[in-house]
Amino acid sequence: AQSVTQPDIHITVSEGASLELRCNYSYGATPYLFWYVQSPGQGLQLLLKYFSGDTLVQGIKGFEAEFKRSQSSFNLRKPSVHWSDAAEYFCALPSGAGSYQLTFGKGTKLSVIP
Amino acid sequence: EAGVTQFPSHSVIEKGQTVTLRCDPISGHDNLYWYRRVMGKEIKFLLHFVKESKQDESGMPNNRFLAERTGGTYSTLKVQPAELEDSGVYFCASSPLPSGLAGVLSSYEQYFGPGTRLTVT
Repeated sequence: AQSVTQPDIHITVSEGASLELRCNYSYGATPYLFWYVQSPGQGLQLLLKYFSGDTLVQGIKGFEAEFKRSQSSFNLRKPSVHWSDAAEYFCALPSGAGSYQLTFGKGTKLSVIP
Repeated sequence: EAGVTQFPSHSVIEKGQTVTLRCDPISGHDNLYWYRRVMGKEIKFLLHFVKESKQDESGMPNNRFLAERTGGTYSTLKVQPAELEDSGVYFCASSPLPSGLAGVLSSYEQYFGPGTRLTVT
């Protein structure tokens, strides 16, 4: 069965520091992969997506993610974190071939120290 | 373009009572999904509508949950009677049906509402 693992429950970084949030997946083929962000009091917002092609994908708010098939990973990165990036981040993938339902990781909560 | 809206934003009810959550998808989005996040756990899929039809309801926890989407526009999720373990945040999401060259992939991009926080006491 498809699954997503986000190993870090909570990460704290200083403003201006770089960020990498980890996501590992289990899937029988090349998956579609998504990163969502939930800011306090807000809904889930799509940050970026990977369907195929270039393994480095750019998203909104200066985020990027790299798909690495050999490591079954799709880590989210940002070179310089802003205080407004404090939120919870979710990695997700469709639950099966032809299925639109998403399987989510448990989320990583990001705190930013001013 | 208005996003996905959900009502209410927060509901506090007693065990045994009934609650109805509403979701208005993005206009023109025929796919509508319900998800739930129980505190400390993952966001879990509940069900998927295509227009007014239930495409997949494999995630519905039990028959105390009833989802409807009459007319293929907004959807409601009723919990009756509510139990303590039903507490959590209920998210609704929508996406368009596949159409055109890029349409199949666009169906995978789900737009989420702000969620309804349900507290059962």
